[in-house]
Amino acid sequence: AQSVTQPDIHITVSEGASLELRCNYSYGATPYLFWYVQSPGQGLQLLLKYFSGDTLVQGIKGFEAEFKRSQSSFNLRKPSVHWSDAAEYFCAVNTGFQKLVFGTGTRLLVSP
Amino acid sequence: GAVVSQHPSRVICKSGTSVKIECRSLDFQATTMFWYRQFPKQSLMLMATSNEGSKATYEQGVEKDKFLINHASLTLSTLTVTSAHPEDSSFYICSANTGAGGQSETQYFGPGTRLLVL
Repeated sequence: AQSVTQPDIHITVSEGASLELRCNYSYGATPYLFWYVQSPGQGLQLLLKYFSGDTLVQGIKGFEAEFKRSQSSFNLRKPSVHWSDAAEYFCAVNTGFQKLVFGTGTRLLVSP
Repeated sequence: GAVVSQHPSRVICKSGTSVKIECRSLDFQATTMFWYRQFPKQSLMLMATSNEGSKATYEQGVEKDKFLINHASLTLSTLTVTSAHPEDSSFYICSANTGAGGQSETQYFGPGTRLLVL
């Protein structure tokens, strides 16, 4: 069955430091991968997505993610974190018929 | 562009009553809409997929008679929680897309509706 694993429940990063959020997926075919961000009590906003081509994808707010088929990973990165980046981050895979399977999320805390 | 709204943003109701949540695509035609449920500090779980003008497709374990979904137009889908009970308290989020882009198409999410059943 298709699944997404985000091994880190919480991550704390100092403001200005770099960030990497991990995501591993299990899917038999070519994955269509997404990263979403959710602020408290809000819906989800798309940061970036990958479905073909260059394995390094750029998103909004300075985020990028790299697809590594050999590792079944799609890690999210940002070179310098801002306090406003504190939120919940979800990785998701489209399993077909436009259905998304989400990981359990990683909560990012930004310390001053 | 691609804005999805939900109404109400939060609702409190008594046990046994029914609650209707609206999901609207404001600037595009949403052929397909999705309803998710999110428990505190947990991920989103897909409840059902609805296509305009046809019956919704429910995920395994979701009671279709309890969670009524209507997608009567290309800009509106409604979720009605019938005979709500405290265990139905949750954060309900809808999403929508045009249905034309296949697996790579982005789903645009609404801001969510917090339901509390007393």
